Formats: sequence, structure tokens, C-alpha cells
Amino acid sequence: GAVVSQHPSWVICKSGTSVKIECRSLDFQATTMFWYRQFPKQSLMLMATSNEGSKATYEQGVEKDKFLINHASLTLSTLTVTSAHPEDSSFYICSAREPPGNEQYFGPGTRLTVT
Amino acid sequence: GNSVTQMEGPVTLSEEAFLTINCTYTATGYPSLFWYVQYPGEGLQLLLKATKADDKGSNKGFEATYRKETTSFHLEKGSVQVSDSAVYFCALARIQGAQKLVFGQGTRLTINP
Repeated sequence: GAVVSQHPSWVICKSGTSVKIECRSLDFQATTMFWYRQFPKQSLMLMATSNEGSKATYEQGVEKDKFLINHASLTLSTLTVTSAHPEDSSFYICSAREPPGNEQYFGPGTRLTVT
Repeated sequence: GNSVTQMEGPVTLSEEAFLTINCTYTATGYPSLFWYVQYPGEGLQLLLKATKADDKGSNKGFEATYRKETTSFHLEKGSVQVSDSAVYFCALARIQGAQKLVFGQGTRLTINP
């Protein structure tokens, strides 16, 4: 089946630094990737939709300058958390959609802790 | 707006017990409905789905029926196994085609031998 990986699986960084999270589709080409955020014991919240070769579409309330998304190839999307603060600590999950279907395949997630 | 509410966990059952995890939704139009499962250390996997009213999705012994009249999509399994221990998420597709998913809060299920 379709496999999506994320790197790193966990990261600890200091307040004020930037962190990049990678999302890769390993055995298929993904024209669309999604980024989610999950708080403890809460549901996944969609942050943005990323289309290869174009700017990401952010959900209401998500700061685009804070969460930079790049989808430069059909197998890689990156999320950069800029000037991270403790409140950015969370579990970040990506998914990728393999055309022509609509099913999303999810990565295992990245746990970010900002100290 | 569109939202999904599912049974709060955690849920603990004995092996071979009957499982029901409730899920209700609020949506405009006619969404597609999904159940995803997340095993420890893994990403979410699609368990089953239904795209229109009265459809029944099924997989691995799990079933859920799209009930438009009660806006529900309850997950059931007749006899659970220890290997079913996981977190289960109910979700709806907010926009057809773009498949923007709206998730419930997840229900952690633990099956004891």
C-alpha cells in the first residue's frame, strides 16, 4: 500500500529557533499533501493544503508566516515552524493523496517540543 | 459548521466482547464519512468509509452504517481482539473532491486478553 514517512519523528528545539519537518510519499506521487496538528487528547486539526508547484492554502486562523509550507516535488512537502514558541509544541501529522482517488495516506507524525 | 463528535474514551473491553463507538456529525450537504485507526507508533489508516446515506462500510470485521436521519456513523464489531487495541477516529470529508477531512477527537480502545 501507499506509504508516507515523516522526518524527524520527534524534535526538541529552543524558543526562537526554526524547525523543518519533512513529509514524503515513498511509493507514489502526491499532487496534494495536507498538514494537521494534534493536541493531546484532541482531534486532528487541518492546518493547510499543499499542492505541488503552487502556494499552500491555509485554514482560517493558521499563520502562514509562522508555518511555512513548501511542496517542491511530487514526493516531498516540508513544514517549517519559524521562531518557535512553547505554544507551538504539538504533534504534527501530514497526509498525501494519490491521484486519481481521494484517499489520504497518513504519516506517523512528528512530535515537536519547544523549550 | 461541519463537525464530528465521537464517544469519549478510553474504552476498555475484554477479548471477544461486542464493540460500539458512537459517532455523530453536523454537516452541510452530504459528506462522505470515514473511520480511521491509529495503531501505536503508526500513522492513521483508513478502516472503512461510506459515501452516501444507508451505505455500510466494512473491513476487518468492523462495520458502520451512514444514517442520515440520525446523522450518525457508529462503529461496531461483533468480537474484538487484543490486536484491535488502537485509537479510532471518525471523520467526514468537508468538501467533495478536495477531501478536506474533519476529525472527531478520537477514542482510545484497549482490549484485554
